[in-house]
Amino acid sequence: DAKTTQPTSMDCAEGRAANLPCNHSTISGNEYVYWYRQIHSQGPQYIIHGLKNNETNEMASLIITEDRKSSTLILPHATLRDTAVYYCIVRGAAGNKLTFGGGTRVLVKP
Amino acid sequence: DADVTQTPRNRITKTGKRIMLECSQTKGHDRMYWYRQDPGLGLRLIYYSFDVKDINKGEISDGYSVSRQAQAKFSLSLESAIPNQTALYFCATSDSDRRSGYTFGSGTRLTVV
Repeated sequence: DAKTTQPTSMDCAEGRAANLPCNHSTISGNEYVYWYRQIHSQGPQYIIHGLKNNETNEMASLIITEDRKSSTLILPHATLRDTAVYYCIVRGAAGNKLTFGGGTRVLVKP
Repeated sequence: DADVTQTPRNRITKTGKRIMLECSQTKGHDRMYWYRQDPGLGLRLIYYSFDVKDINKGEISDGYSVSRQAQAKFSLSLESAIPNQTALYFCATSDSDRRSGYTFGSGTRLTVV
């Protein structure tokens, strides 16, 4: 499975959009990009995933570059409850396992 | 009721003791996973099972064993607990469509003294 690179941490102002980058330059054509978040020590929560096209759901938007080597998760109006560690994961065709990296620790400030 | 239930939520055990962590799910998913999380780190895969007759080692399986008693139940055992197995343990499920997301349980906080 392709590895991902994320910033270790970032701050965001409450009410503003939070843009979380992820690099996955070795991604292959049939690998999906997934985003999960973990609030404090709770179980990780699925946010969104995509293959090529941009995706949007009630939680977030996922923008994938045309070459698929990077992506951005957008939380459109960050709230204090969005403070969490956000994991970008590339999921391979072989097997079905999620491999977690260190993630980005996002702190939403009032 | 939660889709993925882990028991116990918290456990303190002594070095050398055998302990079992249990996971049950109501999602109807075929696939189940056990992860471990150490403070400040991401999750690491211990074991996974794609169906009742299929068990696979993850990246850190040494010192652990699992049992898939039914589609809905997947247990993790520490045969002889040691202090560096102190961690937060998560169970997760997914269906066979690799595009689908995982559903995680709330975790078991295990302390080995």
